[in-house]
This record gives sequence, structure tokens and C-alpha cells, in this order.
Amino acid sequence: EVQLVETGGGLVQPGRSLKLSCVASGFTFNNYWMSWTRQAPGKGLEWVASITNSGGSTYYPDSVKGRFTISRDNAQNTLYLQMNSLRSEDTATYYCTRARLQYWYFDFWGPGTMVTVSS
Amino acid sequence: DTVLTQSPALAVSPGERVSISCRASEGVNSYMHWYQQKPGQQPKLLIYKASNLASGVPARFSGSGSGTDFTLTIDPVEADDTATYFCQQSWNDPPTFGGGTKLELK
Repeated sequence: EVQLVETGGGLVQPGRSLKLSCVASGFTFNNYWMSWTRQAPGKGLEWVASITNSGGSTYYPDSVKGRFTISRDNAQNTLYLQMNSLRSEDTATYYCTRARLQYWYFDFWGPGTMVTVSS
Repeated sequence: DTVLTQSPALAVSPGERVSISCRASEGVNSYMHWYQQKPGQQPKLLIYKASNLASGVPARFSGSGSGTDFTLTIDPVEADDTATYFCQQSWNDPPTFGGGTKLELK
């Protein structure tokens, strides 16, 4: 059974940093691209970052480019999201998602971890 | 970015057929996918590439469309289908999601 479990969320002040982790199990982690997708409270979904199965390439939307960094440790089956220079608009639940490369959809989602950016 | 427009809400009775629409601001070929999100839960993949049923999803769910207009159909609707349904396109960069359609049962 595919499982994705995120940790690391919490309350952080604007301008500070936070690092999220996602431990994967139930599939061969290093065979899949992985992504982070977020959802602001009561709002829709926004793709945040993706990483190739080897970790050699990463992709971001303009809204987080230069502030967020996605990475992975295939030996530990773990995905990370380093978030710097956080803003109030980054407040959201962050989901770890397995990405299917061929058509770039997300076939498994973790339960999410909440990040609140507030002073 | 490609904007995906969905109706905010629908209300149907159990046993009926419901169609949830998603319109793209520009063509997305058939690279449209659908997710179901129940309250307090993470999204779940229902349909990928417009019409392909994801593993374990009941055959009551189906998808259609290409280009700019897409539809998710549930037939028949069951009480457990109360949820918000999101479409997502991946033809244009970046991948984007619709605002979601909240399905309520009468």
C-alpha cells in the first residue's frame, strides 16, 4: 500500500524558514517523480514543486521560485521542501504527492501538514 | 497560466446522474485529470488523461472531453460522493487546478 506521511508543519513568522519532510513507503521511491502541492484554507489547490526520480532536476511555479527548494534522499525514501522567506500567502496545507511523469498527474497524496505564516 | 473554471456547487439526489464541468482558458489536449476531496481529507485521483479511470475507482465515475471542455460524470450518485471535485491540467506549464465544484446531496 502506497503511503506518504508529511511532517514539519507549524506556525512560523513572516520572513523565516521551515523545512517539510515526507516519508514514502509501499512503492519503489526512486522510480517516481515526486511533488508538493498546497491548499490554502478553504481554497483550491496549487502545485508547488516537482523533482525527478534521481533528484537531478527540479521544477517550480513563479510564486515560489527562488524561495522554495525541493529535494529527496532516495536511500531514506524521503522527500523534502525547504521554504525560505515565508509570506502570509504561503499559509496552507502542504501535500506530498507522487507524480506520474507521462501525463503529470498526482496519483497518491499524503494527508498533509499545515503551515501557518503569521506574526 | 491556464485557468480552469468550474461551477462552485451542485446539488443532486441519490440515484441521479450528475455532470461536473471544467473549462480551460486555452487548449490542454486531453491532459485533464480529476480529483475528489472529502471534508478533512486529502484529494484522491479519480480520472487521468480525460477519460481513464484510476485504480480502485468505481465505474460510476467517468470522464470525457478534449481541448478546452471537459466533464466528470457520476452515474448513479451515491451519498458517499458528497465531496469537492477538482480538475487539473498538465498540458501547459505550470500545471494548474480548477477552483473545485462542491457536490451536495439532497
